[in-house]
Amino acid sequence: QLQLQESGPGLLKPSETLSLTCTVSAGSISSSTYYWGWIRQPPGKGLEWIGSFYYSGSSYYSPSLKSRVSISVGTSKNQFSLNLTFVTAADTAVYYCARQGLRGVGFWGQGILVTVSA
Amino acid sequence: DIQMTQSPSSLSASAGDRVAITCRASQGIGNDLGWYQQKPGQAPKRVIYAASSLQSGIPSRFSGSGSGTEFTLTISSLQPEDFATYYCLQHNSYPWTFGQGTKVEIK
Repeated sequence: QLQLQESGPGLLKPSETLSLTCTVSAGSISSSTYYWGWIRQPPGKGLEWIGSFYYSGSSYYSPSLKSRVSISVGTSKNQFSLNLTFVTAADTAVYYCARQGLRGVGFWGQGILVTVSA
Repeated sequence: DIQMTQSPSSLSASAGDRVAITCRASQGIGNDLGWYQQKPGQAPKRVIYAASSLQSGIPSRFSGSGSGTEFTLTISSLQPEDFATYYCLQHNSYPWTFGQGTKVEIK
């Protein structure tokens, strides 16, 4: 059964860079069928799509985050990462990694809470 | 960007009730829409894909309908485990966009 697991620091200071890793088990991020991406949810609020990347290299990002965000293959096999620069309190959220495809988002990680506070 | 307008934002219902949640897209998206259920402290879970196809393992009391710009999620007989927040997601074009969510509460 496919599993996704987010990891990374849970507390950042304003202006720092958020870096998260998603480890994929029982699946391959080099699959030609799926995109891999990130979605976030501020506490008590709704879901926000951050972006997707395809192993071959193409990527798509939310226009509101595009200047600060990048999603790419991770440093280890079957990992991908999220980088978000110059974070503020507005970036405090639960961040989910996810497998995305022709049917939308099919699999989600459990989520990781990232808090931005001085 | 395609805007997804979801209504109502919340509803109160009793077990056994039939409930319907609607999403309207700001432009046509074919059937590139999914519905997701989220319970507190959990990741969302897809219940409907391609607007009207039931996700494997999801009870048949859940159904989806619509295409183009108007979509509906219906729960035919609400069960205690169905009380949650529901979101629609359009994946027709980037950026993908979610509806604002509908919280289904116990009356």
